[in-house]
Amino acid sequence: EPEVTQTPSHQVTQMGQEVILRCVPISNHLYFYWYRQILGQKVEFLVSFYNNEISEKSEIFDDQFSVERPDGSNFTLKIRSTKLEDSAMYFCASSAMYEQYFGPGTRLTVT
Amino acid sequence: KNEVEQSPQNLTAQEGEFITINCSYSVGISALHWLQQHPGGGIVSLFMLSSGKKKHGRLIATINIQEKHSSLHITASHPRDSAVYICAVISNFGNEKLTFGTGTRLTIIP
Repeated sequence: EPEVTQTPSHQVTQMGQEVILRCVPISNHLYFYWYRQILGQKVEFLVSFYNNEISEKSEIFDDQFSVERPDGSNFTLKIRSTKLEDSAMYFCASSAMYEQYFGPGTRLTVT
Repeated sequence: KNEVEQSPQNLTAQEGEFITINCSYSVGISALHWLQQHPGGGIVSLFMLSSGKKKHGRLIATINIQEKHSSLHITASHPRDSAVYICAVISNFGNEKLTFGTGTRLTIIP
């Protein structure tokens, strides 16, 4: 069964460093999403991507964040200069229509 | 603003009990997801529904669009059902992003 994959599973970085989180969505899906979950809190929407551009972004998704679909398979989330408060679990999801399929997540720890 | 409320926040039950988790939301929706999150953190989609009722094994999800309410039921609960269950909705406006509830932590005691 096709699935969404994410790498790395765990990333530790120092404050101020750039990180790139990678996702491989399900191959025939057209809509892509990044969500995050700070420890102990609910999952929050970051950004959605369709037709090679951002379709919606949340207030969290400021200039420090960017997304790319550099080739036909990968979907990346870049954080330019990480802050302590960026420590969270980051989930990628993809969908063909309404039903979203989630990746296993990347746990980002900023020290 | 779309709010998604779940109840209860925590639920502990004995193995074999019938479990009900409730979800209410404040705006019109296109679809509602029930998701399961295990301690490792991964999220698994259990159901997506926009009307009526769906059943998968011991899990049943219902939705009442007029009342803006959905329930997730687990029959013959088992310790392996212990997880956080999350309700998430896609609103009628905007794109297909999910708005999440805070989750219900379910613990099934053998």
